[in-house]
Amino acid sequence: DAGVTQSPTHLIKTRGQQVTLRCSPKSGHDTVSWYQQALGQGPQFIFQYYEEEERQRGNFPDRFSGHQFPNYSSELNVNALLLGDSALYLCASSPGAGVGGELFFGEGSRLTVL
Amino acid sequence: AQKITQTQPGMFVQEKEAVTLDCTYDTSDPSYGLFWYKQPSSGEMIFLIYQGSYDQQNATEGRYSLNFQKARKSANLVISASQLGDSAMYFCAMREGGVTDKLIFGTGTRLQVFP
Repeated sequence: DAGVTQSPTHLIKTRGQQVTLRCSPKSGHDTVSWYQQALGQGPQFIFQYYEEEERQRGNFPDRFSGHQFPNYSSELNVNALLLGDSALYLCASSPGAGVGGELFFGEGSRLTVL
Repeated sequence: AQKITQTQPGMFVQEKEAVTLDCTYDTSDPSYGLFWYKQPSSGEMIFLIYQGSYDQQNATEGRYSLNFQKARKSANLVISASQLGDSAMYFCAMREGGVTDKLIFGTGTRLQVFP
């Protein structure tokens, strides 16, 4: 049983470009959340999706947007990249938001902005 | 406002010994969940253990146990019989009640296990 899978694992972009990161939740999970983890810090919540809608959002600008597909997979899009967007982006999935402790993360996508 | 505090930036433990990683939290919500994750240098956030605020007993998962002291608002992770592979960053996180998977993370503790 595959867990949470993310792609790509590493990527390099330049300032001003746009990036799309992808996440497939664990089988049986319908809720996906995205986190940004800067070097040396704990992850910060970006937003959460279920039923193909953004349900909750953290303190991130509109340059960060997302999407959830009918098969529950999700994308994170970041426009007009800044140097400060360099981070590890983690996707987490659960069988239902706020339900119990089954909240698992993927291996992350490491974004470097030059 | 909800907050997680991990006061130990780094910890050392000898192989086969037990170690306790500290975590305190602050919330006004009576319903919440507490998580511990392990993050090796590869970056993956590996789930270790979960404790719900209404759970009567401390959570245990193999060598991991959570020392939950509700009145003190602490949720310390105890790793028994440490192994070299336990060397990693450890994060404590909290999720408040409601229909949310928003976790608030602490700053983490780097654990190093030596032979």
